Amino acid sequence: DQQVKQNSPSLSVQEGRISILNCDYTNSMFDYFLWYKKYPAEGPTFLISISSIKDKNEDGRFTVFLNKSAKHLSLHIVPSQPGDSAVYFCAASAIRSSGSARQLTFGSGTQLTVLP
Amino acid sequence: KAGVTQTPRYLIKTRGQQVTLSCSPISGHRSVSWYQQTPGQGLQFLFEYFSETQRNKGNFPGRFSGRQFSNSRSEMNVSTLELGDSALYLCASSLDGPNEKLFFGSGTQLSVL
Repeated sequence: DQQVKQNSPSLSVQEGRISILNCDYTNSMFDYFLWYKKYPAEGPTFLISISSIKDKNEDGRFTVFLNKSAKHLSLHIVPSQPGDSAVYFCAASAIRSSGSARQLTFGSGTQLTVLP
Repeated sequence: KAGVTQTPRYLIKTRGQQVTLSCSPISGHRSVSWYQQTPGQGLQFLFEYFSETQRNKGNFPGRFSGRQFSNSRSEMNVSTLELGDSALYLCASSLDGPNEKLFFGSGTQLSVL
């Protein structure tokens, strides 16, 4: 039962254009969402996050949008650069009654290729 | 500040053997989590340790175990290895708190033959 789904395994975009990566979730208890980027032979690195009390968070070229009613979030990269080519993972977490929540549920990832 | 360090980088084992992977978190980070990454499956949560105690556990069989030492370094052990255990095992550390982001190591690539 995949609680976080990234339905597009791959995406190709021309340099300078917008990249939109999508993520859907099913668990209504999730209240914190993150995007990680992963290059080959490296661990994932944190990109941007959003709390469920917001619907948008922006950091430079990266913007994450959250639509709670649709249980959908998306990552927009504008403008896309060849160095953005990587696997992007969407992740979500829920506050646990026992205290700090450190369990992230990840999607299966989307390979983004930015063509020069 | 040094990042999360995982050793070894690569491991080749045969079915039935056991393996121990090591993780040194970022200095000052007391929470250490382990994830398994397989192609098409994303990252699956194994367990999380804080102050030498397992705080959360994912849906993996008892063959997967871990521990954390007083200096926050962590090890995970897989016993009676199966072919399906071949994966990239990632360790992540963080400061404590509900929304603290995870910092990942480069992982240990385990191949079970």
